[in-house]
Amino acid sequence: GQQVMQIPQYQHVQEGEDFTTYCNSSTTLSNIQWYKQRPGGHPVFLIQLVKSGEVKKQKRLTFQFGEAKKNSSLHITATQTTDVGTYFCAGLYDYKLSFGAGTTVTVRA
Amino acid sequence: DTAVSQTPKYLVTQMGNDKSIKCEQNLGHDTMYWYKQDSKKFLKIMFSYNNKELIINETVPNRFSPKSPDKAHLNLHINSLELGDSAVYFCASSQVDVGSPLHFGNGTRLTVT
Repeated sequence: GQQVMQIPQYQHVQEGEDFTTYCNSSTTLSNIQWYKQRPGGHPVFLIQLVKSGEVKKQKRLTFQFGEAKKNSSLHITATQTTDVGTYFCAGLYDYKLSFGAGTTVTVRA
Repeated sequence: DTAVSQTPKYLVTQMGNDKSIKCEQNLGHDTMYWYKQDSKKFLKIMFSYNNKELIINETVPNRFSPKSPDKAHLNLHINSLELGDSAVYFCASSQVDVGSPLHFGNGTRLTVT
């Protein structure tokens, strides 16, 4: 079945540094969504990408959808302590949304 | 104003018991879901209802039975609870269908002892 692989599983970042989390699918996706879950909280929708090669920005967050619509990335610049949490990608294929395993981000002040 | 609310927030119970989790959304969304998040934070879809009709029923033990009395409510009943059922259960809704962004509830942490 369709699977969405997400790496890395953990990301330890020095405050102020940049990092990227990656999402890869074995099949071409209809769209990809990104969510953030703070410790002890629930997943919160961040963004949805639909078009091939699409790039969207939200302040320090840059989301990208690959040309083949099989991969996506989330890049965070100048990491802050408020960025702590787990970031999930979720790919839509054949009317089914599959979540990646998430990247859990910790920040060293 | 809570958009997707689920109760209870915590549920501690013994093996073999039956329990229910309730979920309500006031967003006017057509589709509601139940997700299970295990200890490794993996999110797995369990069920999805669109306008009270079951549209997704993943490989879930039949001890789990969802019920949607109307499109704003989706409850989850679990019979004969097992240790492996311990997890966080999230209710979610989306505006139209499965491809729409999800709005999650705060979760119910179920602990089976």
